[in-house]
Amino acid sequence: AQSVTQLGSHVSVSEGALVLLRCNYSSSVPPYLFWYVQYPNQGLQLLLKYTSAATLVKGINGFEAEFKKSETSFHLTKPSAHMSDAAEYFCAVSENSGYALNFGKGTSLLVTP
Amino acid sequence: NAGVTQTPKFRVLKTGQSMTLLCAQDMNHEYMYWYRQDPGMGLRLIHYSVGEGTTAKGEVPDGYNVSRLKKQNFLLGLESAAPSQTSVYFCASSTSNSPLHFGNGTRLTVT
Repeated sequence: AQSVTQLGSHVSVSEGALVLLRCNYSSSVPPYLFWYVQYPNQGLQLLLKYTSAATLVKGINGFEAEFKKSETSFHLTKPSAHMSDAAEYFCAVSENSGYALNFGKGTSLLVTP
Repeated sequence: NAGVTQTPKFRVLKTGQSMTLLCAQDMNHEYMYWYRQDPGMGLRLIHYSVGEGTTAKGEVPDGYNVSRLKKQNFLLGLESAAPSQTSVYFCASSTSNSPLHFGNGTRLTVT
């Protein structure tokens, strides 16, 4: 069975600081990995996805994530946080590129001035 | 292009009442899903469908039923609502090789 674990339910960073949101996965087959973002009172939007083409994946809004098989990790980073980045972030895993994603419990990112 | 539309946006039910949540997508996606989101629990899959006329159970199916009579619609039913079903419900759709597209959610309170 596949699953993801997000380390830290709440992360707080200062505006302009590095954002690092951690995600570790468990999968018996090569996984498809995703990061989604949820702004208040909205649905989830795809930030980026890993589908084995490249280990460093660039997404929208300046976010990127690196797939590290040896560490079973897919951490999300952004060099410089912006106030508008404050949201809930979800890591997700699937055995195929489309359906039945298993989501992590989410990390709430707070950006302080 | 509306994407994934969920109705209603909000609903309050009394224990034992029934209701149906409607999800409609206009992207011709084969796959559709219902998730529930609860604080500290992330999103959990209730039921999903890989095509018209087919449905399957997800992680937390008890107390819910679904139907996919038309490709563009996926209905989630609660036959006898319970307070434990108070949650935010999200519908999503996808193709076999695309990420999920989500609706904006339905906030359900069962008193």
